Amino acid sequence: QSALTQPASVSGSPGQSITISCTGTSSDVGGYNYVSWYQQHSGKAPKLIIYEVSNRPSGVSNRFSGSKSGNTASLTISGLQPEDEADYHCSSYTRSTVGIFGSGTKVTVL
Amino acid sequence: QVQLVESGGGVVQPGGSLRLSCAASGINFSIFGMHWVRQAPGKGLEWVAVIWYDGRKKLYVDSVKGRFTISRDNSKNTVDLQMNSLRPEDTALYYCAGDPGGTGFNWFDPWGQGTLVTVSS
Repeated sequence: QSALTQPASVSGSPGQSITISCTGTSSDVGGYNYVSWYQQHSGKAPKLIIYEVSNRPSGVSNRFSGSKSGNTASLTISGLQPEDEADYHCSSYTRSTVGIFGSGTKVTVL
Repeated sequence: QVQLVESGGGVVQPGGSLRLSCAASGINFSIFGMHWVRQAPGKGLEWVAVIWYDGRKKLYVDSVKGRFTISRDNSKNTVDLQMNSLRPEDTALYYCAGDPGGTGFNWFDPWGQGTLVTVSS
């Protein structure tokens, strides 16, 4: 099973909004509402920031939001801040392998 | 304080074995599904294996089937990954992660800090 497709990099200036896409198929992203997103700062473990497409865990900033349309899920970061500079990974339930991750997106704050 | 702590990583020759362990605290371990996820140097995340909350079901990514075995001890709040017939492509930082759904796949939370496995001659 191939990884979900994410852009390799996305950048924005402080205060701007950016959106990261995560494209799969009807066997994963499009078929289930178990899409989650993870933030990973350099040298650190991943941290859950969105689960079940659009839910935020307690303590996660409301500047992070998630959505899904068809086979593509999206993570939007509003009011971009320097501390948002990190790698972002999406994940989805799949019919075949239980878990699959995206290829990862490096977010740069200009 | 929620904490997952991995141990057991190291350098091993191709064909060798390692046993990773993950100790959980601060969570009701016996209701969590537990996953192992790995990250090769400079690469993205790859799901490796999951064991359901009660140990009844175990699933693996195709590339490790027949070589890796996941197990858990709910009395000790630990989950292990026995890795045999290791290959250079298994070189990665191995994370354990909890799944509050307990069965199947929901999402990964919390995460440990990872333990590094290097397979090299």
